Amino acid sequence: LAKTTQPISMDSYEGQEVNITCSHNNIATNDYITWYQQFPSQGPRFIIQGYKTKVTNEVASLFIPADRKSSTLSLPRVSLSDTAVYYCLVGDTGSGGYNKLIFGAGTRLAVHP
Amino acid sequence: GAGVSQSPSNKVTEKGKDVELRCDPISGHTALYWYRQSLGQGLEFLIYFQGNSAPDKSGLPSDRFSAERTGGSVSTLTIQRTQQEDSAVYLCASSLEATSGTSTDTQYFGPGTRLTVL
Repeated sequence: LAKTTQPISMDSYEGQEVNITCSHNNIATNDYITWYQQFPSQGPRFIIQGYKTKVTNEVASLFIPADRKSSTLSLPRVSLSDTAVYYCLVGDTGSGGYNKLIFGAGTRLAVHP
Repeated sequence: GAGVSQSPSNKVTEKGKDVELRCDPISGHTALYWYRQSLGQGLEFLIYFQGNSAPDKSGLPSDRFSAERTGGSVSTLTIQRTQQEDSAVYLCASSLEATSGTSTDTQYFGPGTRLTVL
C-alpha cells in the first residue's frame, strides 16, 4: 500500500513563504500528486496537481523531484486565511488494477499575525 | 453552478439504529467518492463509483456499511446498526472522470454530514 508522510503541524507568520513536504515512496507510475486544503467544517478544496518537476498556479507551486518519491507544496506570502489543514493525495499501488485513493494525514498550518 | 450537496448536514442517532446519508454530485460528473473523517483525523477512503459500473466496496470498514448510486447520479451511504465508533463526518466528492481511481481528476467535495451516535 502507498503511504504518505507529512509533518503534523507547522507555524508561520503573515507574509512568509511556507513549504510543506509529503513523502510517498510507493507512488504508482501513472499517478499524479494532488494537494487539497481543508478549513474547519468544510470539505477539502483542490489547490494544485502535478506529475513531475514544477507546477505553478495562482495560489501555490508544487515541486516534484525526478524520483517522485516526495513533493513540496509552496505557499508564497501566506496570510491568516491560509490557516488550514493541507493534504497530499496519491494513488495506491494495490494490485488488481484498482488504485484506492489515499490522503496523507494532513499538515495543520497555523499562520500568525 | 451548484456544487456537491449532502444531506442531512447533521445527524444524531442512537446506537443500533440505521442511518442513510445522501450525496448529490455535480451534474455531469461520472465519478463519486465517499470518505470518512473522524475528529482531528485525516480522510479515510470508503468507496468510489465510476459511471454505472459496479463499485469496489473493499474500502468499506464493515458489512454494516453499504452504498448505492442510482442512475449514475445520487448516492446513498447506509450504515446499519450504528455503533459509537461510526461517529464522524462523512464526506462525498465527485469528479468529471475517474482514471482507474487515481488522483488525476480533481475531486469536488460536499460540506459533509456530521454523524453522532449516542
